[in-house]
Amino acid sequence: GNSVTQMEGPVTLSEEAFLTINCTYTATGYPSLFWYVQYPGEGLQLLLKATKADDKGSNKGFEATYRKETTSFHLEKGSVQVSDSAVYFCALSETGGSNYKLTFGKGTLLTVNP
Amino acid sequence: NAGVTQTPKFRVLKTGQSMTLLCAQDMNHEYMYWYRQDPGMGLRLIHYSVGEGTTAKGEVPDGYNVSRLKKQNFLLGLESAAPSQTSVYFCASSMSGGSGEAFFGQGTRLTVV
Repeated sequence: GNSVTQMEGPVTLSEEAFLTINCTYTATGYPSLFWYVQYPGEGLQLLLKATKADDKGSNKGFEATYRKETTSFHLEKGSVQVSDSAVYFCALSETGGSNYKLTFGKGTLLTVNP
Repeated sequence: NAGVTQTPKFRVLKTGQSMTLLCAQDMNHEYMYWYRQDPGMGLRLIHYSVGEGTTAKGEVPDGYNVSRLKKQNFLLGLESAAPSQTSVYFCASSMSGGSGEAFFGQGTRLTVV
């Protein structure tokens, strides 16, 4: 079955530091890959996505590249802000067939200090 | 824009009580989902629906039932609540199940004592 493994947290950084959150996946087909973000007390919201190999998703300064050869989708940001403090989830969705659900990683808590 | 709305936002139940969580979406989405979020476990799919009148089991369906009588609503029922069902429950919807974005509600924090 499908699975997503992301780096364990929590991750604590100072403002303007570089962020990497690793994510690898296992899937039988050609999945779409996503990063979702959950701010305190809120539901999840889509941060970025990539639907095929070598695609780069980007949003709000965050980037992730779909690497089929390493089955990875690592999240990066060059300079984090206090407002980026949240839980980040990597997820995949198989396309086609009857498998319509998102499979999530366990989440990584990011805290950015001033 | 309302998006996905969950009611209630908080609830405390006694063991053995029943309750229904309501999810409503105003985006005309075909697919709807119920997840539970527990510390260190991420989100786990309870049940989902690929259209009005259809439901299917997810990863952790035991102890829950669902119904999708109207396209915009997806109900999650607990017939006899147990402490193991203490969790935060999220409803989500999407237009398509593959590469489409899922939209989440704000969550329902349920405590079973």
